[in-house]
Amino acid sequence: QVTLKESGPALVKPTQTLTLTCTFSGFSLSTREMRASWIRQPPGKALEWLARIDWDDEKFYSASLKTRLTISKDTSKNQMVLTVTNVDPVDTATYFCVRQTCRGNTCYFDYWGQGILVTVSS
Amino acid sequence: QSVLTQPPSVSGTPGQRVTISCSGSSSNIGSNIVDWYQQLPGTAPKLLIYGNNQRPSGVPGRFSGSKSGTSASLAISGLQSEDEADYYCAAWDDRLIGWVFGGGTKLTVL
Repeated sequence: QVTLKESGPALVKPTQTLTLTCTFSGFSLSTREMRASWIRQPPGKALEWLARIDWDDEKFYSASLKTRLTISKDTSKNQMVLTVTNVDPVDTATYFCVRQTCRGNTCYFDYWGQGILVTVSS
Repeated sequence: QSVLTQPPSVSGTPGQRVTISCSGSSSNIGSNIVDWYQQLPGTAPKLLIYGNNQRPSGVPGRFSGSKSGTSASLAISGLQSEDEADYYCAAWDDRLIGWVFGGGTKLTVL
């Protein structure tokens, strides 16, 4: 059974660094073709993909946010971490940890965490 | 402003068939597969359609997807009240080198 759960602060101040941890079970990020992403959703708004990390430690970032994002994994702990530097109130959102499965050219987000609401406010 | 364009809302009555469009460009839908996600109120999104037109196990056959050129569509037939949700399309973008989503479509069952 695949599960993912996000953890981190519910409230951060502007200009601070936000660190989110995803703890998962039922799969390993060291398995070939396995990938995981962070996706966020501001209140009442659309989904926004942020970053992806692959089984071979290759990383991809949203073009508009890449200077502020760092994604990493700890396969021994079954965890994935996202840091967002210099946060602003516009970063207020529910952050989702998501597993991605790929078969050939077909990739999709098949398992999602419940999400964690992070508010950026002084 | 989302890279993929969806209508903000659609509506239908129980039993009816509705479609939700998703418009992109040559760098995303035009050259990559499209997935669809359903988000019920207050919950995380759920995979509804992958690979343009494939349904994961457990997704009713009432849901179907298609793609043509730089556009994709999600069709829901035999509309039910529990289908009331937000629906998002997604695709990889070769120019942005990342995943892009549509702005979401709110389906209301009247």
